[in-house]
Amino acid sequence: EPEVTQTPSHQVTQMGQEVILRCVPISNHLYFYWYRQILGQKVEFLVSFYNNEISEKSEIFDDQFSVERPDGSNFTLKIRSTKLEDSAMYFCASSVGSQETQYFGPGTRLLVL
Amino acid sequence: DQQVKQNSPSLSVQEGRISILNCDYTNSMFDYFLWYKKYPAEGPTFLISISSIKDKNEDGRFTVFLNKSAKHLSLHIVPSQPGDSAVYFCAAIWSGSARQLTFGSGTQLTVLP
Repeated sequence: EPEVTQTPSHQVTQMGQEVILRCVPISNHLYFYWYRQILGQKVEFLVSFYNNEISEKSEIFDDQFSVERPDGSNFTLKIRSTKLEDSAMYFCASSVGSQETQYFGPGTRLLVL
Repeated sequence: DQQVKQNSPSLSVQEGRISILNCDYTNSMFDYFLWYKKYPAEGPTFLISISSIKDKNEDGRFTVFLNKSAKHLSLHIVPSQPGDSAVYFCAAIWSGSARQLTFGSGTQLTVLP
């Protein structure tokens, strides 16, 4: 069964460093998403992406964040200058259409020191 | 901002019995609801969904009920199995923001053998 994959599974970085989290969505899906879950908190929407542009973003998704689909398979989330409060699980998801079920990857655990 | 609420952080059920997980929402614009299951160190796994035009959807051991007037939905698992032990998240979506899932805080289900 096709699935969303994410790399790395864990990332430790120093505050102020840039990180890139990678995702490979399900191949026939057209909509891509990033969510995050801070320890002990809810899963929160960050951004959605369709047709090579951001379609929606939350207030969390500030100028430090960016997303890109550099090729036909990868979907990346970049945090330019990480802060301690960026420590969280980051989940990538994809769906066939905007009204369709979103399928999640296993997540990347980011720890900012 | 708790638009989707799961008031029970945990639930324990005997194997073979029914598990009932509850979810309430406040935003009347939500028109599609989903349940996800999550194991530790994994991403949310889609279980079952329901559109606001229905009041029940069934898939094997899983049934979701929607009461729009009460803004309440529930997930029934019967019979419960030890492998069902996980965190269950309720999520909602609305057509005006069709791509953004709003999650509840989750309920830890433990099925006792």
